[in-house]
Amino acid sequence: QSVLTQPPSVSGAPGQRVTISCTGSRSNIGAGYDVHWYQQFPGTAPKLLIYGNSNRPSGVPDRFSGSKSGTSASLAITGLQAEDEADYYCQSYDGSLYVFGTGTKVTVL
Amino acid sequence: QLQLQESGPGLVKPSETLSLTCTVSGGSISSSSYYWGWIRQPPGKGLEWIGSIYYSGITYYNPSLESRVTLSVDTSKNHFSLRLSSVTAADTAVYYCARSGTGDDAFDIWGQGTKVAVSS
Repeated sequence: QSVLTQPPSVSGAPGQRVTISCTGSRSNIGAGYDVHWYQQFPGTAPKLLIYGNSNRPSGVPDRFSGSKSGTSASLAITGLQAEDEADYYCQSYDGSLYVFGTGTKVTVL
Repeated sequence: QLQLQESGPGLVKPSETLSLTCTVSGGSISSSSYYWGWIRQPPGKGLEWIGSIYYSGITYYNPSLESRVTLSVDTSKNHFSLRLSSVTAADTAVYYCARSGTGDDAFDIWGQGTKVAVSS
């Protein structure tokens, strides 16, 4: 039922830069609603990684960055590290409904 | 710091009602700045928002689940609850409670999650 589309997987070598796209529509991201990003390790709860399109909560490394344009948003990880291997989800708002992305698995080669 | 903890049965029979509670510690559920939500994740799948409630009792539900979902809040016990009726195997998931701000704010604090299986 996800209305935000993400690539199923992305991969990169340590130190590389990877990006994850999050494609929505005019009723959610394109309507001006903020996009947030979560990081989830197996068997654990999601953790807020980026809020308000591009803001990092305290404690999140600055190698994680977010951006938004039109009906899409992106999460970039620069200087990829082994510990970044996880699932990543975008999230936005669609009227009175919170919507999540389909999720992307990041693999560190 | 604020913490959320889900509790409830880990096994529910088909057609019965799933009931979970999320207890808030380290802060008040009656804050005017936050909503309290439920999100679930079926095995191997993505996240799905179920609904959110304000301390006053105002609720917002996912339209896909609205006919079966009831959220409630008990400010005296600092907890909020989820009831999902007429469950099927498709409702098997890890259920998370989480805090969000108003409007399109993020879910900034999450509980650890509780696994619920629907099976006879």
